[in-house]
Amino acid sequence: NAGVTQTPKFQVLKTGQSMTLQCAQDMNHEYMSWYRQDPGMGLRLIHYSVGAGITDQGEVPNGYNVSRSTTEDFPLRLLSAAPSQTSVYFCASSLWLWETQYFGPGTRLLVL
Amino acid sequence: SQQGEEDPQALSIQEGENATMNCSYKTSINNLQWYRQNSGRGLVHLILIRSNEREKHSGRLRVTLDTSKKSSSLLITASRAADTASYFCATDARRLVFGQGTRLTINP
Repeated sequence: NAGVTQTPKFQVLKTGQSMTLQCAQDMNHEYMSWYRQDPGMGLRLIHYSVGAGITDQGEVPNGYNVSRSTTEDFPLRLLSAAPSQTSVYFCASSLWLWETQYFGPGTRLLVL
Repeated sequence: SQQGEEDPQALSIQEGENATMNCSYKTSINNLQWYRQNSGRGLVHLILIRSNEREKHSGRLRVTLDTSKKSSSLLITASRAADTASYFCATDARRLVFGQGTRLTINP
């Protein structure tokens, strides 16, 4: 199993541009989440999904959209990038909500 | 505000010594988890301890949970250079909330 994969590994955007961060898992997990990690801030939950077609907001959802059309994929969309969205983004999946999380390798995003 | 808070923020010890880090939280939980993050990498799950458990072991790791004090500790025995990483606790209130982490450095 590949586990949780994320693409791209690194991205540079200009303010106002949009992009999609990809996340996929092959463990048949129902639950998937997106976190951002900033220096000294730990991980903060952006959005999460409890199954295909079901998403909900986390702690810091503004500026981000998600959808879950399949069990495997959970893309994160930045609608209009801002410098404040410069961060490392992690996708995670789990069998049950808030049980053991399996993390992807992360996407480093720089917004200029 | 963060649900889980790790202490200390940074810890530096000699190889072979034991490392202890603590996590405090504010509200009732179902379980508490510890994760490790090597520099620039994703988080790796270490141990999950449920609210009705008091202690759990995994290899050189020992986790305790005191729900009356709303605190947990992670002990790494006989530390190795490869244990150098950041360690996070995560608690499940309405959602899974991570603390800011303890940066552990093992000096050879």
